[in-house]
Amino acid sequence: QQPVQSPQAVILREGEDAVINCSSSKALYSVHWYRQKHGEAPVFLMILLKGGEQKGHDKISASFNEKKQQSSLYLTASQLSYSGTYFCGTIANTGNQFYFGTGTSLTVIP
Amino acid sequence: DAGITQSPRHKVTETGTPVTLRCHQTENHRYMYWYRQDPGHGLRLIHYSYGVKDTDKGEVSDGYSVSRSKTEDFLLTLESATSSQTSVYFCAISLQGPNTEAFFGQGTRLTVV
Repeated sequence: QQPVQSPQAVILREGEDAVINCSSSKALYSVHWYRQKHGEAPVFLMILLKGGEQKGHDKISASFNEKKQQSSLYLTASQLSYSGTYFCGTIANTGNQFYFGTGTSLTVIP
Repeated sequence: DAGITQSPRHKVTETGTPVTLRCHQTENHRYMYWYRQDPGHGLRLIHYSYGVKDTDKGEVSDGYSVSRSKTEDFLLTLESATSSQTSVYFCAISLQGPNTEAFFGQGTRLTVV
């Protein structure tokens, strides 16, 4: 039931955009996004609770396509501080357990 | 920072010995979780608690037990440590359950030799 993230890794130059995808084999109730910097704890970014919902703060936003059972995280005009591993987490409609994806390593270079 | 303290932060132990990791919170959050993080697997839920003495298993609970006798403390015990339990362990808390924001502790790096 672990969601699948793609790509596994991406390298960007400052100012470039990136998209990280999270797909599930189950119909989803919610999607969560976290970022983890090397050697640190994961930090919450946002939760999407409704199909079609979009959220964002600063230049990081996300969408939730309930029908496709997937979510995408959009990072625009990337900054060095965006580097880290991004995890999605999902809760299925049929259960209450939370599963993290395997993560996407994002590196922003000058 | 959310008031979550994990102890110890690092531990090396021998195969077959019992090990207890502690998670202490000062936020009075009802829900507490133990995850392990391994390369290629991301974060996987071991056990969670939704109140004092109320706990349940996660997806990788074999070989682990938990206890929560006070709201602020959630203990994870490896009953007989094995090398496959070498990992980084994270505690997390949330106010209203798995569908709300979770705050993570700084992690405990456990090595079983």
